[in-house]
Amino acid sequence: EPEVTQTPSHQVTQMGQEVILRCVPISNHLYFYWYRQILGQKVEFLVSFYNNEISEKSEIFDDQFSVERPDGSNFTLKIRSTKLEDSAMYFCASSELASGTDTQYFGPGTRLTVL
Amino acid sequence: AQSVTQPDIHITVSEGASLELRCNYSYGATPYLFWYVQSPGQGLQLLLKYFSGDTLVQGIKGFEAEFKRSQSSFNLRKPSVHWSDAAEYFCAVLAMEYGNKLVFGAGTILRVKS
Repeated sequence: EPEVTQTPSHQVTQMGQEVILRCVPISNHLYFYWYRQILGQKVEFLVSFYNNEISEKSEIFDDQFSVERPDGSNFTLKIRSTKLEDSAMYFCASSELASGTDTQYFGPGTRLTVL
Repeated sequence: AQSVTQPDIHITVSEGASLELRCNYSYGATPYLFWYVQSPGQGLQLLLKYFSGDTLVQGIKGFEAEFKRSQSSFNLRKPSVHWSDAAEYFCAVLAMEYGNKLVFGAGTILRVKS
């Protein structure tokens, strides 16, 4: 069964450094998402992406964050200058259609630790 | 605004016992509702979803959920719990008008005792 993959599984970085989290969505999917889960808190929506542009972003997704689909398979989340509070599990998800009735499939996550 | 409440942070049940995990939602239109499960170190796996039609939906691993509009609830049930069901369970509502984002509840951690 096709699945969403994410790399790396764990990333440790120093405060102020840039990080890029990578995701490979399911191949025929068109709608992509990033969510994050700070330890002990809810899973929170960050951004949705369709047709090479951001569809929606949350208030968390400020100028320090950006997303890109650099080629036909990868979907990346960049944090320009990491803060301690960016430490979280970051989940990528994808869905086949832009329809709300379509299921979002999640990757295993990248645990980001900012020191 | 959309929101999901899972009132139970932890639940412990004996293996073989029945299970019900509660979920209440707040959403202005017809809700699209989901239950996901997260095992330790794993991603979120979809258990089941409700879009329309029959209010009792069946999912994987023997789970089912019932949509009750009058109570704004979407409770997850399983008649007989297995030790492998120990995990964290998340209820979510889809906010279609906001880029199809999922709004999650805080999760319920299920412990299964033998």
